[in-house]
Amino acid sequence: GDSVTQMEGPVTLSEEAFLTINCTYTATGYPSLFWYVQYPGEGLQLLLKATKADDKGSNKGFEATYRKETTSFHLEKGSVQVSDSAVYFCALSESGAGSYQLTFGKGTKLSVIP
Amino acid sequence: DSGVTQTPKHLITATGQRVTLRCSPRSGDLSVYWYQQSLDQGLQFLIQYYNGEERAKGNILERFSAQQFPDLHSELNLSSLELGDSALYFCASSVGQTPYNSPLHFGNGTRLTVT
Repeated sequence: GDSVTQMEGPVTLSEEAFLTINCTYTATGYPSLFWYVQYPGEGLQLLLKATKADDKGSNKGFEATYRKETTSFHLEKGSVQVSDSAVYFCALSESGAGSYQLTFGKGTKLSVIP
Repeated sequence: DSGVTQTPKHLITATGQRVTLRCSPRSGDLSVYWYQQSLDQGLQFLIQYYNGEERAKGNILERFSAQQFPDLHSELNLSSLELGDSALYFCASSVGQTPYNSPLHFGNGTRLTVT
């Protein structure tokens, strides 16, 4: 079945540091890929998405590129801020009829210190 | 604010009891999804409804049931509660039938504590 593997956290960075959170996936078809973010005490919010190979999703300074050859969708940001402290979830959804599920990774907690 | 409303925010109950969690989707969204979030299992998909009909079932226990009403709000019923059912339960909604091309919008969750 489908699965998503994220790097283990927690990740602690200083403000303005470079961020990478690794995500790899296993899927039978051609999934759409997502990054969701969960701030403390809140629900998940869609951060960015990519629907086909080589697509780059971007939002709020975060980027991720859909790499079919390596089945990866790593999240990057050039300069993190304290306000980026949150839990980040990589997720996929298969295409095609009957694919109603969004499969999540276990999440990576990011803490940014001033 | 995602526009998805979940009530109550917190629920504390005893083992063996039954509870009902409620979700109001964003205006215009026809799909409602239920997820369970726990520390050890992460986010687990439970069930999805689209326009009143059940569309997909995930790792939902037989003690759990859900429904979506004509006004599109949904309820998740948890019965014969066990300590291991303690978790954060999220509802999410979307316009379309699948997450593939219709992103999910999540509520803030209901935290269930079973004592």
